[in-house]
Parts: sequence; C-alpha cells; structure tokens
Amino acid sequence: QVQLKESGPGLVQPSQTLSLTCTVSGFSLTSNSVHWVRQPPGKGLEWVGAIWSGGSTDYNSALKSRLSISRDTSKSQVFLKMNSLQTEDTAIYFCTRVPGYPPFDYWGQGVMVTVSS
Amino acid sequence: DIQMTQSPASLSASLGETVTIECRASEDIYNGLAWYQQKPGKSPQLLIYNANSLHTGVPSRFSGSGSGTQYSLKINSLQSEDVASYFCQQYYDYPWTFGGGTKLELK
Repeated sequence: QVQLKESGPGLVQPSQTLSLTCTVSGFSLTSNSVHWVRQPPGKGLEWVGAIWSGGSTDYNSALKSRLSISRDTSKSQVFLKMNSLQTEDTAIYFCTRVPGYPPFDYWGQGVMVTVSS
Repeated sequence: DIQMTQSPASLSASLGETVTIECRASEDIYNGLAWYQQKPGKSPQLLIYNANSLHTGVPSRFSGSGSGTQYSLKINSLQSEDVASYFCQQYYDYPWTFGGGTKLELK
C-alpha cells in the first residue's frame, strides 16, 4: 500500500541546514509527485515545495532562496534541504503525494523539527 | 498568492447536529479546492477534492459544495470521531495555499 515516512534530526541550531528524507513505498516517484508541507505547532499548513514526476521542482517563493528538493528514484527517496534556519522554521514537516493530479491523497506521519540553540 | 479565508476558526456542536465550515478564496479558483481533516497528533486526511467529490472511503455524511470564490464543507449527523481540525486548500494556482483551519469540538 502507499506509504510515506519522513526522517531527519529533531533539533537544528539556528543558521544551520536542515536535511530531511521522505522514503516512499507502494508507488513510483516517476509517475507521482511528492510535496513537502509544514505546520508550526498549533498553527496552519504551509506548502513548502515539490518534486514532480519528471524531476522538476517548484518552491514556495518565500522559501525559494533557502530550499532545495531532490530525489533518488532507485531508493524511492525524496530529500529536502533548507539552509539558514531560523526559529520560525520550527514546525512539523510532512511529505505528501500527488497522484498525477492534485490534491494530496497520502501523507507521511510528519517529523517535528525544532530550531533552537 | 491566493489567500484562503476559513470560518469559523472554532466551532462547538452536539452529536447528531449538522455543521458547515466556509472557505473563501481571494480570487476565482474554479473548483480547485480540497478539504482535509486533521486529528491531534496526526497528519491531514483528504476528505473532498474538486470542491464536491468525496475521496475514497470517506463517510457520506461529509459533503462539499461551492464555486468561484466561495466553498463550504458540510458534516451531517455529527459523530464523536469527527472531532478534529479541518482545512481547505486551493490547488488552482501556485503556490498552493491553505485556509487557517477550523477546530471542531463537541458541545
């Protein structure tokens, strides 16, 4: 069945780089897109960016200068890298699937990332 | 960016009651709208897509309607398991944006 699972460090120091991995199963990255969505504690959802089935990427313009999304199709993994982290980047980060056409139909469990010294 | 304004921010209702949550877009999103349910400590779950299509496995007491800039989610005969936060999301234009959420509690 379709599954997505995020992994990465729970704590990142300010100004450092965040690296997250989304490991998927039950579907192909070459026929589905994977997106990252984040949620600050107790707040709403924010679309972060995406890697499309063809390998192209789109980023939230507010984060674009700090963000990179890539993938390894052989390992069924999608990677998020965000640099120059600040406290306002503290959030639960979810990876989620778009099956060729929107919206998001499956989500990972999320990983809590805290930016603090 | 398209702004999504969701109301109310919180809602208290009784079991068996009908509940309606509204979402207004800052411009026409041509039915490119989804509704999600999120329970505490869990990831969002898709309920409705294309404004009025029920996602597989979602109970029929959930329904979506609307067009243009105005959309709504209705829950008929509220059940205890419906206690959750609900979010709308537009996917008509990038960046895809979410409403601020509605927290539904039992009265």
